[in-house]
Amino acid sequence: DQQVKQNSPSLSVQEGRISILNCDYTNSMFDYFLWYKKYPAEGPTFLISISSIKDKNEDGRFTVFLNKSAKHLSLHIVPSQPGDSAVYFCAAKSGTSYGKLTFGQGTILTVHP
Amino acid sequence: ETGVTQSPTHLIKTRGQQVTLRCSSQSGHNTVSWYQQALGQGPQFIFQYYREEENGRGNFPPRFSGLQFPNYSSELNVNALELDDSALYLCASSLGLENEQFFGPGTRLTVL
Repeated sequence: DQQVKQNSPSLSVQEGRISILNCDYTNSMFDYFLWYKKYPAEGPTFLISISSIKDKNEDGRFTVFLNKSAKHLSLHIVPSQPGDSAVYFCAAKSGTSYGKLTFGQGTILTVHP
Repeated sequence: ETGVTQSPTHLIKTRGQQVTLRCSSQSGHNTVSWYQQALGQGPQFIFQYYREEENGRGNFPPRFSGLQFPNYSSELNVNALELDDSALYLCASSLGLENEQFFGPGTRLTVL
């Protein structure tokens, strides 16, 4: 039972353009969502998060949007840079699950110069 | 400040053997979580330790067990290894149960 899904295994964009990574979830108990970035041979690093009481959170070039009714979140990267090329995971947790993160399968982002 | 470290980096075992993976948490962190990442998948939660006690477990059989030590470092033990246990094992530490988790680089386990 995949409670968090990233349906696009890969995404390719041109440098300077917008990258949009999508994530869907099924568990209504999830109330906090995170995006992680992972480079090869490194662990995932935290990028940005959003609480279910918000619908948008911005941090520099990164913005996360949450649509609770659709159980959908997206990560926008503007402008995209070659250094953004990595695997992006969305993750979710509920208030009752303490630190347990439920991850999606990941999306490989490639930003071409 | 030292980040999360894991050892060994790579490990090859055969079916039926036992393995111990180690994790040193970031300085000051008292919570450690373990995740299994199979090829092409996202990390899956195995269990979490808080102040030396198991605090939450994912859908993994009892042959996956762990320990947390007084210095908050941790071990993941897997008995009776199966081919499907081949994966990247990630350790994450945090200050408390709810705070941001910092991941180590992982241990790549191959079971032949």
